[in-house]
Amino acid sequence: EAGVVQSPRYKIIEKKQPVAFWCNPISGHNTLYWYLQNLGQGPELLIRYENEEAVDDSQLPKDRFSAERLKGVDSTLKIQPAELGDSAVYLCASSFNEGGEQYFGPGTRLTVT
Amino acid sequence: AQKVTQAQTEISVVEKEDVTLDCVYETRDTTYYLFWYKQPPSGELVFLIRRNSFDEQNEISGRYSWNFQKSTSSFNFTITASQVVDSAVYFCALKGLSNDYKLSFGAGTTVTVRA
Repeated sequence: EAGVVQSPRYKIIEKKQPVAFWCNPISGHNTLYWYLQNLGQGPELLIRYENEEAVDDSQLPKDRFSAERLKGVDSTLKIQPAELGDSAVYLCASSFNEGGEQYFGPGTRLTVT
Repeated sequence: AQKVTQAQTEISVVEKEDVTLDCVYETRDTTYYLFWYKQPPSGELVFLIRRNSFDEQNEISGRYSWNFQKSTSSFNFTITASQVVDSAVYFCALKGLSNDYKLSFGAGTTVTVRA
């Protein structure tokens, strides 16, 4: 069974540029999560989807971050414009439902210069 | 509020040594779940174990074992006879109602196993 797929794995952009990350969850998983992981820290939840609905986006900085999961499968996380402090690893995870085990993708390492 | 503390930032051992990773948590929930994840250099977090707050039995899975002590709010993880492939960052995490069942991670412990 394929795991959670994320792309790109690495991205380097200049500040003020836009950037987008893509995630394809495990087939059949209804719940999708985006996490932010700063260097030397544990992941922190940005947003959680139940199918197409964003049920928890309280930690998402909505002035510059946006996310979508239009068909309840793939998801895209966007930052516009990027700031130096956004340099981090962005992890996507999925689970069968809210209470299920979360399976993580390899992450996208973003460097903003 | 929930909090997970992994006091050890880095641990370095020689192959075949045992290594124990400490995890202390805080929560006001009576029902909660504790987890350990492994993050190898490839980056993805690998699920290792989940325990619920009502199950204090210790668990062993191959070279891995976990000691859950509710009285001290600890959920420690031991790797027996460590191998180079065990080198990774290990995260302890907590999930409970008071945090809307979000996973709260500790800062992680980097384990380096030297040949």
